[in-house]
Amino acid sequence: ETGVTQSPTHLIKTRGQQVTLRCSSQSGHNTVSWYQQALGQGPQFIFQYYREEENGRGNFPPRFSGLQFPNYSSELNVNALELDDSALYLCASSLGSGSSGNTIYFGEGSWLTVV
Amino acid sequence: AQSVTQLGSHVSVSEGALVLLRCNYSSSVPPYLFWYVQYPNQGLQLLLKYTSAATLVKGINGFEAEFKKSETSFHLTKPSAHMSDAAEYFCAVRPPYNNDMRFGAGTRLTVKP
Repeated sequence: ETGVTQSPTHLIKTRGQQVTLRCSSQSGHNTVSWYQQALGQGPQFIFQYYREEENGRGNFPPRFSGLQFPNYSSELNVNALELDDSALYLCASSLGSGSSGNTIYFGEGSWLTVV
Repeated sequence: AQSVTQLGSHVSVSEGALVLLRCNYSSSVPPYLFWYVQYPNQGLQLLLKYTSAATLVKGINGFEAEFKKSETSFHLTKPSAHMSDAAEYFCAVRPPYNNDMRFGAGTRLTVKP
């Protein structure tokens, strides 16, 4: 149990639709990162939010966007869904943006299927 | 830029045998290195991490890893495999200044009775 909770756990969307995934970080953690894990692959870094600002982004198009709220919870939004967006989306929280060797704790993930 | 390569997508060992999962990294700056385990339909659980302190790192469940800069390696070992160790293992690297974690493709460990 990492204290990072994600919702929903599973969802099915149609190509072209939009989806919002939610994450509550571990108590006291001010940094949230999002990862995409396609079936049979390792997670890929989407972006990171630190104190409500995006401060790092992987190789994902602008239709992947996010928010971090004052309580440090976060949302991942994906517009114009494509079939290849089908994956497990993992949220991870940590204290600090990375400079202290802080441990990153992962949630259980949200399984997204695009049909 | 950072990256990791995990040698062997599948490793099979007998219960009680040595577990060795290989990871090589590439990094333009001194890296932080991690091993995570993922059980079916679950998220990632941290096994151990290297953040520039001792090069031999001990983690949970009897696992350990050694950072070898000369070989750019961070292999994961466990002296005696247990059936409950069967899972997917991911090596990861990130720079010391942000959480842009780069994962390997994973190694699936099977433990035979």
